[in-house]
Amino acid sequence: RKEVEQDPGPFNVPEGATVAFNCTYSNSASQSFFWYRQDCRKEPKLLMSVYSSGNEDGRFTAQLNRASQYISLLIRDSKLSDSATYLCVVIGNTGNQFYFGTGTSLTVIP
Amino acid sequence: GAVVSQHPSRVICKSGTSVKIECRSLDFQATTMFWYRQFPKQSLMLMATSNEGSKATYEQGVEKDKFLINHASLTLSTLTVTSAHPEDSSFYICSARGGTGGLSYEQYFGPGTRLTVT
Repeated sequence: RKEVEQDPGPFNVPEGATVAFNCTYSNSASQSFFWYRQDCRKEPKLLMSVYSSGNEDGRFTAQLNRASQYISLLIRDSKLSDSATYLCVVIGNTGNQFYFGTGTSLTVIP
Repeated sequence: GAVVSQHPSRVICKSGTSVKIECRSLDFQATTMFWYRQFPKQSLMLMATSNEGSKATYEQGVEKDKFLINHASLTLSTLTVTSAHPEDSSFYICSARGGTGGLSYEQYFGPGTRLTVT
């Protein structure tokens, strides 16, 4: 079983829509969780950390569900500039294991 | 935020030659650096983890004699692809992790090196 599973999409949504991505992880002892954004042919950039209590940054909300072992990313009021691949990252219990999801492709359509 | 540079950004080489890629942390000391490979439309695949002054830890299936990693200082790691072949053509990305406290798990990525082997 993969350490991290992520729906690759693609998600094609109209501008202004709300879209959510999920990512499940297999190791219940995983320590930390992040969402990264990767534009085509560019390096991944940290979008936001995921805290147990959930956190929000503008139109973006990240949540962690330890009981069901998944993290989510919600994007409200989608903009054209949100089009990218979103990668979830799970840090293993030793702190030195980084597991990337395969990425979810999002295209926001005018 | 922390800045990581990578050089070269793009390289084309002939089959059988070796290519060295540099990864530098410009404004922080990177205790750990990671090397990833990404094929088109696929996710990042971790190749190896290197800690300054010690040997790199390679992921299963990655040949350590083919992908030589050196992390001689806290700001520089190099990846050398030896005797490159067309199947080694890929996007190679390094990342660096440093600092303490809550930021210590964050990785800062270099801009990547696109390697094409002809």
